[in-house]
Amino acid sequence: GAVVSQHPSWVICKSGTSVKIECRSLDFQATTMFWYRQFPKQSLMLMATSNEGSKATYEQGVEKDKFLINHASLTLSTLTVTSAHPEDSSFYICSARDSQGPYSNQPQHFGDGTRLSIL
Amino acid sequence: GNSVTQMEGPVTLSEEAFLTINCTYTATGYPSLFWYVQYPGEGLQLLLKATKADDKGSNKGFEATYRKETTSFHLEKGSVQVSDSAVYFCALRTKSGGYNKLIFGAGTRLAVHP
Repeated sequence: GAVVSQHPSWVICKSGTSVKIECRSLDFQATTMFWYRQFPKQSLMLMATSNEGSKATYEQGVEKDKFLINHASLTLSTLTVTSAHPEDSSFYICSARDSQGPYSNQPQHFGDGTRLSIL
Repeated sequence: GNSVTQMEGPVTLSEEAFLTINCTYTATGYPSLFWYVQYPGEGLQLLLKATKADDKGSNKGFEATYRKETTSFHLEKGSVQVSDSAVYFCALRTKSGGYNKLIFGAGTRLAVHP
């Protein structure tokens, strides 16, 4: 079946550093990818929607300069948390929509998430 | 706006008990409805879906029926197993701002004991 690979699965780093998270669709093309943030025991909060080759669309309240998204190819999107601080610690999940088929029926597949801890 | 409301958890059941997790939604137009499951430390997996009214989605013994008249998509399973312990998310997908976005409920944690 369709697989979305998210890397790294876990990262710990010092406050002030930047962290890049990769999201790859392994056996399908994904024109659109999504980035979510999940706090402990809470639901997924959509951060941004990215389309290959264009700028990401950020949800209200999400700082685009803080969370840089690049979707340079049909199989890869990256999220960079710039100058990370402890409050950025969270579980980040990416999702990729399979470009094949009718738009309204395109399945959305999820990565296994990245646990980010900022000390 | 569009939203999904799920029953609060945790739901604690004994093995082989009957499971219902309630989900209701508010949406403009005709959304597609989904149930996702999240096991500890993992991302989300699609459990089942329904794309139009009266459709029934089913998978691994779970089922849910798209009820437009009550705007509901309740998840049921006749006999749960310990391995079903996870967090279950109800979600809808509708076009907003030109994109199909998934909107999730808060999630319901299910714990099944032997």
